[in-house]
Amino acid sequence: DAGITQSPRHKVTETGTPVTLRCHQTENHRYMYWYRQDPGHGLRLIHYSYGVKDTDKGEVSDGYSVSRSKTEDFLLTLESATSSQTSVYFCATFAGDNYEQYFGPGTRLTVT
Amino acid sequence: AQKITQTQPGMFVQEKEAVTLDCTYDTSDQSYGLFWYKQPSSGEMIFLIYQGSYDEQNATEGRYSLNFQKARKSANLVISASQLGDSAMYFCAMREPISSGSARQLTFGSGTQLTVLP
Repeated sequence: DAGITQSPRHKVTETGTPVTLRCHQTENHRYMYWYRQDPGHGLRLIHYSYGVKDTDKGEVSDGYSVSRSKTEDFLLTLESATSSQTSVYFCATFAGDNYEQYFGPGTRLTVT
Repeated sequence: AQKITQTQPGMFVQEKEAVTLDCTYDTSDQSYGLFWYKQPSSGEMIFLIYQGSYDEQNATEGRYSLNFQKARKSANLVISASQLGDSAMYFCAMREPISSGSARQLTFGSGTQLTVLP
């Protein structure tokens, strides 16, 4: 357990509204990730960060942006939510010096 | 690019029996890591077991073992003596080499839903 919290845990929002999901870690891990989980696809990488203010795109980054102003916080923003972004979002961290990637509890987002 | 294939969308097993969940992978890297995660109905991702590509012995963690066949590019999870609490979704995943300067992210398969029958 790497002390990862996600907020909110559940959110229902309307199409076209902006949404920000927060991931907070207490272990000072260098790498942080946002994945989305959809039936039949497993988890797919949206964006990742390899340090403060250092971020890059993953496999399914369209429609998402991220920011990391502090080591412990990684924000995922949907600028204008669409129904296709209804999903479960997982944050994860990786220290970089061992093998385990730690996952947060997930955020269930519904876009109506 | 890495790819993970789990060909069993659903599996059933009797309580106390062993079950094998299949996972094949595709990579051009020589160094990589293979993972299995469990996701119960409550939704959290639980790390089960890890196998490094250069590890000569198959990884074991309690009732979980990873049957690693490098030449066949397979990394099957074996659960011995299944319990009702093992009913969950199971994901196989791979990480590319840490030395590659990459994102170190995990690439996941689509998962296998295991149901343990009493």
